[in-house]
Amino acid sequence: GQQVMQIPQYQHVQEGEDFTTYCNSSTTLSNIQWYKQRPGGHPVFLIQLVKSGEVKKQKRLTFQFGEAKKNSSLHITATQTTDVGTYFCAGQRYNTDKLIFGTGTRLQVFP
Amino acid sequence: DTGVSQNPRHKITKRGQNVTFRCDPISEHNRLYWYRQTLGQGPEFLTYFQNEAQLEKSRLLSDRFSAERPKGSFSTLEIQRTEQGDSAMYLCASSQADSSYNEQFFGPGTRLTVL
Repeated sequence: GQQVMQIPQYQHVQEGEDFTTYCNSSTTLSNIQWYKQRPGGHPVFLIQLVKSGEVKKQKRLTFQFGEAKKNSSLHITATQTTDVGTYFCAGQRYNTDKLIFGTGTRLQVFP
Repeated sequence: DTGVSQNPRHKITKRGQNVTFRCDPISEHNRLYWYRQTLGQGPEFLTYFQNEAQLEKSRLLSDRFSAERPKGSFSTLEIQRTEQGDSAMYLCASSQADSSYNEQFFGPGTRLTVL
């Protein structure tokens, strides 16, 4: 079946350092979404990428969708303690509205 | 609060008992999803509805699980003859099918503990 993997599983950074998480799907996706889940919280939508090679920015966050629409990345510049949480990518295949969530990358930021 | 709500927030039950969870989506959303999440894992898709129609159901979902959305508004998820392996957070999400984004809004979840 379809799998969506993320690396790394955990990342501990010093405040001010950059952070990147990578997402890989075993199948071509129609779009990919990113969600953030704070400890004890529920997933919160960050962004959706649809086009091959698309790059979107939200302040310090940069999202990329691969040319083959099978991989994606999230890069955070100059992390802050408010960035703490688990970041999930979620892929959607063509002809289905089902989202397959990745394994997540848990980010810890030390002040 | 006009977000997605779920009840109860916590449920502790004994193995073999039946449990039912409720989800109230954002009122104008026509799509409703159920997920299960265990510690350290991403949400795992269970099923989803568009209005009252159940459009897709995970093959991982055993016959002990059933979901309904009778009037296209709130939804219930029932687990019969619960097992310890059913212990997890059950998340509900809703979205609007005809929006440019397929953004899903999640509720706070129902944490199930099966003893």
